Amino acid sequence: KAGVTQTPRYLIKTRGQQVTLSCSPISGHRSVSWYQQTPGQGLQFLFEYFSETQRNKGNFPGRFSGRQFSNSRSEMNVSTLELGDSALYLCASSFGGGAGETQYFGPGTRLLVL
Amino acid sequence: AQSVTQLGSHVSVSEGALVLLRCNYSSSVPPYLFWYVQYPNQGLQLLLKYTTGATLVKGINGFEAEFKKSETSFHLTKPSAHMSDAAEYFCAVSVRTDKLIFGTGTRLQVFP
Repeated sequence: KAGVTQTPRYLIKTRGQQVTLSCSPISGHRSVSWYQQTPGQGLQFLFEYFSETQRNKGNFPGRFSGRQFSNSRSEMNVSTLELGDSALYLCASSFGGGAGETQYFGPGTRLLVL
Repeated sequence: AQSVTQLGSHVSVSEGALVLLRCNYSSSVPPYLFWYVQYPNQGLQLLLKYTTGATLVKGINGFEAEFKKSETSFHLTKPSAHMSDAAEYFCAVSVRTDKLIFGTGTRLQVFP
């Protein structure tokens, strides 16, 4: 099976712009989660989608949003970019998002905000 | 609320030496525990996980970890380090869903 794929891999934006990142989960996986990784804050959970519904949300401002399509592919959007949004954004998929399930991570999208 | 503490942000060992990366967790309910590894410019790869049952868990690449409830620990070990083990290692906990709460990570350096 193909792994989790994320596009684009690298992105440079300027403050105030918005950005959309894409994630394709492993075939058959219906749960997609997003994480932000920064040197200062480490790995932090953004949100999780299952069957096109946001089921779980981390502690991030409303500028961060996401959605999931019927084929389980997911996108996350960040509006009004700030310098502090520079990070590696990781997508992970699992079969059902249940307790103890393994999440499989993609290679990430590295976002640089200038 | 759940949390994970990884003691030591950097660990250095010689090739062939024992690797020990420490992880302690806090959880009010029985946790699921994970170790992930991240190589430069890559995502996270699962090394091993504890759900229920046997407390000694064997993972990939010769790593293993032991769940000790009395010590709230889930330390990662490998008997003999290899140069290819140099990476960053993350301990994580989840409870009612698969949402992961990560520790701050430990960077492992392996010297020849």
